[in-house]
Amino acid sequence: AQSVTQLDSQVPVFEEAPVELRCNYSSSVSVYLFWYVQYPNQGLQLLLKYLSGSTLVKGINGFEAEFNKSQTSFHLRKPSVHISDTAEYFCALQGKGGFKTIFGAGTRLFVKA
Amino acid sequence: DVKVTQSSRYLVKRTGEKVFLECVQDMDHENMFWYRQDPGLGLRLIYFSYDVKMKEKGDIPEGYSVSREKKERFSLILESASTNQTSMYLCASTRSLDTYNEQFFGPGTRLTVL
Repeated sequence: AQSVTQLDSQVPVFEEAPVELRCNYSSSVSVYLFWYVQYPNQGLQLLLKYLSGSTLVKGINGFEAEFNKSQTSFHLRKPSVHISDTAEYFCALQGKGGFKTIFGAGTRLFVKA
Repeated sequence: DVKVTQSSRYLVKRTGEKVFLECVQDMDHENMFWYRQDPGLGLRLIYFSYDVKMKEKGDIPEGYSVSREKKERFSLILESASTNQTSMYLCASTRSLDTYNEQFFGPGTRLTVL
């Protein structure tokens, strides 16, 4: 069975501070890993993805994530957040050769002025 | 740009009503999905379709059915709506299942069943 655990349901942070949203996964097969962002009243938008190769992946809006196979983690980071980053963030995986995407429960990032 | 549109942003229905949620994509994608999003549970797959008239159950198909008569359109049907089906419903599409392909999501339909 595959699963995704997002360790924080809510993360409040001040503007211009760094942020890390944590994601651990479990899978018996190799996986693709993703972070999606959902702004208020909108659908999900792909932020970044890890398919293979370099373990540090960069996405849109200054976000990056690091794939750590030994710790089965895929944490999302941004060195300086903006008010506009306030949204819900979903970590997800897809098993290689499979069709289903498994989503975590989501982390609400709230950026305060 | 890929565009996935959903027929309604907000919908209020009564218990026992038959409810249709429509999704249309304009990029000739083979595969379409219906998810349900609930707080603290993330997204859960209800059904998906990999071709016209083809469908597969997801993780929570009970109480739902789907229809795909045309490639671009995928409908979710609640045969007899119940209050526990109050939720956000998200449609998505992707080009191929053979390898990784990004899923593109619609804006969602927030359904309230009274």
